[in-house]
Amino acid sequence: ETGVTQSPTHLIKTRGQQVTLRCSSQSGHNTVSWYQQALGQGPQFIFQYYREEENGRGNFPPRFSGLQFPNYSSELNVNALELDDSALYLCASSAGQEIYGYTFGSGTRLTVV
Amino acid sequence: GENVEQHPSTLSVQEGDSAVIKCTYSDSASNYFPWYKQELGKRPQLIIDIRSNVGEKKDQRIAVTLNKTAKHFSLHITETQPEDSAVYFCAAVKMAGANNLFFGTGTRLTVIP
Repeated sequence: ETGVTQSPTHLIKTRGQQVTLRCSSQSGHNTVSWYQQALGQGPQFIFQYYREEENGRGNFPPRFSGLQFPNYSSELNVNALELDDSALYLCASSAGQEIYGYTFGSGTRLTVV
Repeated sequence: GENVEQHPSTLSVQEGDSAVIKCTYSDSASNYFPWYKQELGKRPQLIIDIRSNVGEKKDQRIAVTLNKTAKHFSLHITETQPEDSAVYFCAAVKMAGANNLFFGTGTRLTVIP
């Protein structure tokens, strides 16, 4: 499958720890956006990476950081985990900076205990 | 930023009946309105979208209507089937310069066989 893939699928971490989530974009897509989806809520925008640069950020603290690599895959790093960080983390890739044509990955379910 | 409200949060219909999900948005400049379907444990998938230059769009059993004056848009599913059961999210954005979608809180649709 050439769609968006995320790893790991599930993760349990302890409060205060750090976590790295990974996303491989769909073939031909050079933009990756990360969203946090708390239980029973819609996805909330964390940030977007376009050509390895951060291209917009939502209302999330600096302990949420990211990277994009030359192959357009991306990482989301969260430091000093809090219980409220427990959520489904989704990445979406797109071609250029277009909003339409988002392709979402299946997400990483993070549980902070 | 944009604020999207979605109603109802849960909806149960008998197989074969119609289902309607409504969303309102706050930013009159928003001009792109996608709808996503998220089955349990799966990725959100775009099912239909509409831009502000049209008032209605239809794709087989699914249609979306947009009322720019009232700033609301709706998803209509006719002849519902059990496989339509999922969580549906609306979203809104002003496309120019946008790097993220603003999502509603979701509607859990259950189609009763």
